Amino acid sequence: GAVVSQHPSWVICKSGTSVKIECRSLDFQATTMFWYRQFPKQSLMLMATSNEGSKATYEQGVEKDKFLINHASLTLSTLTVTSAHPEDSSFYICSVSRRKLAGGYYEQYFGPGTRLTVT
Amino acid sequence: QKEVEQNSGPLSVPEGAIASLNCTYSDRGSQSFFWYRQYSGKSPELIMFIYSNGDKEDGRFTAQLNKASQYVSLLIRDSQPSDSATYLCAVNIGGGNKLTFGTGTQLKVEL
Repeated sequence: GAVVSQHPSWVICKSGTSVKIECRSLDFQATTMFWYRQFPKQSLMLMATSNEGSKATYEQGVEKDKFLINHASLTLSTLTVTSAHPEDSSFYICSVSRRKLAGGYYEQYFGPGTRLTVT
Repeated sequence: QKEVEQNSGPLSVPEGAIASLNCTYSDRGSQSFFWYRQYSGKSPELIMFIYSNGDKEDGRFTAQLNKASQYVSLLIRDSQPSDSATYLCAVNIGGGNKLTFGTGTQLKVEL
């Protein structure tokens, strides 16, 4: 598997402020990390693919200027929610992609998530 | 048609029974398939993966893949109340390392 941490585990911020969420791969070097968002009782929604040393690739409908992603090292990706609003309140989860040597398939392992509440 | 489809449930089974969760996918070229378990308020946890047609067993879990019919299923034997969770099916559609998730099936194991 893979061990992934996220910080903070929960955060409350005021509307209009920015919040940074960190995702760390603790036991291997992750070239690719993913950021998801999940609203209550809904499924995971992929927001963006974070690639080490290059710009993130955002899914359709996700504002790249609002959700800033930086993947500066092979063990750390950050998501900054800029000018947060109450509708950004959600569960943000990162994952790391790890390639299996046998077969060359990729598996994803998730961090514990960050619950963001914007008041 | 959604790329990955699951029945949202809830699926209720008595303790000790077999729970059967199903998933269909649209891309015939998909090669890798995953089952994640997600407890309420927690992040998903990978429990099974399967790449080849047929069955793959791991403890009480069995994943079944039928590429011709484009479905993948998860069987949980001797279901326990601790198995109550939402089970997400994920498919690697189009190659690469991105996964497409179904909406999940909620499983309730009743005493």
